[in-house]
Formats: sequence, C-alpha cells, structure tokens
Amino acid sequence: ETGVTQTPRHLVMGMTNKKSLKCEQHLGHNAMYWYKQSAKKPLELMFVYSLEERVENNSVPSRFSPECPNSSHLFLHLHTLQPEDSALYLCASSQDLGQGSDTQYFGPGTRLTVL
Amino acid sequence: QQQVKQSPQSLIVQKGGIPIINCAYENTAFDYFPWYQQFPGKGPALLIAIRPDVSEKKEGRFTISFNKSAKQFSLHIMDSQPGDSATYFCAASGYSSASKIIFGSGTRLSIRP
Repeated sequence: ETGVTQTPRHLVMGMTNKKSLKCEQHLGHNAMYWYKQSAKKPLELMFVYSLEERVENNSVPSRFSPECPNSSHLFLHLHTLQPEDSALYLCASSQDLGQGSDTQYFGPGTRLTVL
Repeated sequence: QQQVKQSPQSLIVQKGGIPIINCAYENTAFDYFPWYQQFPGKGPALLIAIRPDVSEKKEGRFTISFNKSAKQFSLHIMDSQPGDSATYFCAASGYSSASKIIFGSGTRLSIRP
C-alpha cells in the first residue's frame, strides 16, 4: 500500500471513552503531522514530529495525546473529549522539516464525532 | 500576521467557466504559496505552487496569479469541468526555512454540468 493511510475512517465516541487514531505513511518520510479540519475554518496544525521527536505542540488540550513510535507510524490518543472536538482529523507527512516548500502528503482523515 | 485569508467560502460555476479563488497574506517572510485540492472523503493534495519571483504560474488548466506588492494571490481554473468540484485551500510558508505551512479556510467549488 502506498501513500498515507489512516484508521479508522469514522469514529463515534462518548465523552468518557478512550480511543486512538492511527496513521501510517509508506513514503519513507521523516516528518509527520496531525491536523484538525473543522467546517469553514483553516486547517489547524496540532502536532509535528520529526524523526520520531515531537517538535511542535500548538497549544492542544491534554485530552489529545500523540505518539510516534517510529518514523512510519503516528497515533493520536483521545480521552474525555468534548462535542466541540468533533471534526476531521488529518495526518500528513513530508520528506523533512528542513524546508517550508516540502510537499505535505495527507491521509484521507478520520471523521470523529463526539456525543 | 500569520493568517492567510481566503475568499469566497463557496463558489458555483457553470462548466467551461473560470472560477477564481483569492487569498491574501500579511507576513512578508512568506515566500512559498501552494494550493491544495481536496475531494470529498480524501485528504488535501498539492495542486500547484508559486514563489514570489514570478507573477504567474500555469500548470494545465490551473493558473496562479501573484501580486507581491498587494500581498495577494489567486487561483484560476480555465475551462472548468465537473471533475474540478472540490475544496481548494491556499497556503503560505517560508520556502527554505523550517517554517510551518499556514492554510486558508478553504473554498468549496462546485462546477455545474
């Protein structure tokens, strides 16, 4: 399989649940990202990892917890979420963090609904 | 100053028309301006990009026009087709710096047959 894959594609969870989103990239890239996409708003960068090390955390609430066990996999652990956290969560990867011109390759996203 | 403002929010054009999507930025440190295209159920994908040393870049039916003094850039789609119906995001970043990419809020484009 090629590109960036995300599982699950859809997730419905209650506010007291704990769940995890998974992202896998098959491109040999060194940088991975989590974005939140809400309707009519810009893509919000949540976390950035470079060579498995977190390099950016954009004031994201602690109920979102990322994990990058290796350069091909990225997880987003979710617990005690709020209804306003319902959104499309996108994973992306790029060759490196060294240049802003590096193309980001996105996965199809996980559509999350928090009840 | 880190924002990229995009308009319109949505756009409906007849097949063959030329939809135009506009973006504006404030940070003069930005020197790389990509456009991403997102189809329903898919993640965004790079469509075309421009640097401020040129005023126009064309790839197939897609053209970016860039106005450095006004800090504005726009996407034009020539001879638009129903298959071009998607959400389009403009973005900005530093070309050679390890800067994050800032996205606009997106334009939902619908091309009517």
